[in-house]
Amino acid sequence: DIQLTQSPSSVSASVGDRVTITCRASQDISSWLAWYQQKPGKAPRLLIFSASNLPSGVPSRFSGSGSGTHFTLTINSLQPEDFATYYCQQTTNYPPYTFGRGTSLEI
Amino acid sequence: EVQLVESGEGLVKPGGSLRLSCTTSGFTFSSYTMTWVRQAPGKGLEWVSSIKSGGNDVFYADSVRGRFTVSRDDARDSLYLHMSGLRGEDTAIYFCARNRYDDSPPFDYWGQGTLVTVSS
Repeated sequence: DIQLTQSPSSVSASVGDRVTITCRASQDISSWLAWYQQKPGKAPRLLIFSASNLPSGVPSRFSGSGSGTHFTLTINSLQPEDFATYYCQQTTNYPPYTFGRGTSLEI
Repeated sequence: EVQLVESGEGLVKPGGSLRLSCTTSGFTFSSYTMTWVRQAPGKGLEWVSSIKSGGNDVFYADSVRGRFTVSRDDARDSLYLHMSGLRGEDTAIYFCARNRYDDSPPFDYWGQGTLVTVSS
């Protein structure tokens, strides 16, 4: 099974800051990685797919990069609504479709 | 507008059974692979099961294989999860989600979740 290691597990930042979250895969997954945002009491929201693609409606301050085993999610110019928990997920066509353990972004 | 609405929330004793439903609208349900994801209280996300369009291909996490059964009714635009042999570690919010691609994640639309509590 593909394991995903997210870091840091939590990060504190301020409005206007730039934050980077890392996700490392236990084996080469090419660009098959997604990022989700989850706010307390809500369902996850897809932010990034195929490592760097934004679904429609996701603000351009979110960006993703990486391939192989090393991936990053960057949020530029943090907004108050960005404080949430972020998860990476391997999206190859080989289940289990594991998630990282999450990164809590706190004010 | 794409909508997914789970139902079937409940408190079940260990060893018991429960069926969850996910009713959908706003897209051609029969064309999409559908998935269940769960989240234990205060914990992260865990993929549980997926069923491809057509219903012939199903996939399960090791933690639920042999105890949970995923199914779909395309005529009703609905997804189901029949859970048996429930354990305390199955306590979680269960989300249904739509796969963006037929063969794999990501999950582009999610329901609001339904809570399953396993306790004596």
